[in-house]
Amino acid sequence: AQSVTQLGSHVSVSEGALVLLRCNYSSSVPPYLFWYVQYPNQGLQLLLKYTTGATLVKGINGFEAEFKKSETSFHLTKPSAHMSDAAEYFCAVSNDNQGGKLIFGQGTELSVKP
Amino acid sequence: DAGITQSPRHKVTETGTPVTLRCHQTENHRYMYWYRQDPGHGLRLIHYSYGVKDTDKGEVSDGYSVSRSKTEDFLLTLESATSSQTSVYFCAISDNRPYEQYFGPGTRLTVT
Repeated sequence: AQSVTQLGSHVSVSEGALVLLRCNYSSSVPPYLFWYVQYPNQGLQLLLKYTTGATLVKGINGFEAEFKKSETSFHLTKPSAHMSDAAEYFCAVSNDNQGGKLIFGQGTELSVKP
Repeated sequence: DAGITQSPRHKVTETGTPVTLRCHQTENHRYMYWYRQDPGHGLRLIHYSYGVKDTDKGEVSDGYSVSRSKTEDFLLTLESATSSQTSVYFCAISDNRPYEQYFGPGTRLTVT
């Protein structure tokens, strides 16, 4: 069965510091991987996705993530945190055997301190 | 932004009353989904649709039903609302692989 684990339900960084949000997945076939961001009182917004090809993918707002098959990981990074990055982040996995469904992690709330 | 609207955006209702939430898309996407989001539980799939009149249950389908009579609309019905169904409900859409989903703005439902 497919699953997603996000390590750390809360992460706090200082403004200007590196952001690292961890995501590990399991998938019986090649995965499609996603990161979403949710700001307060809003829906989820797609940050970036990995399908095939280049394992380092870039998304909106300066975020990027690297697909590492050997580690079954898809960690999200941003070199320098901004106050506006404070939000909840969700990792998700799908594949061609999921019938169109995404499996979501439990989410990581990112706080940015001035 | 993907063209997804949800109505109503906020609703307060009493226990035992029926409630219908509507999701409307203008993207002609094949798949549509209903989730609920609660603190400590993340996103949980209620029902989803893989085509007109084709629906299936998610992980928390008890007490909910859905209908999809045309591509653009996906309705979620609470036959007899209970306080445990107080939540924020999100609709999402996707097309074929890689099945990335696009989310609506959400409906905040309070059952008193």
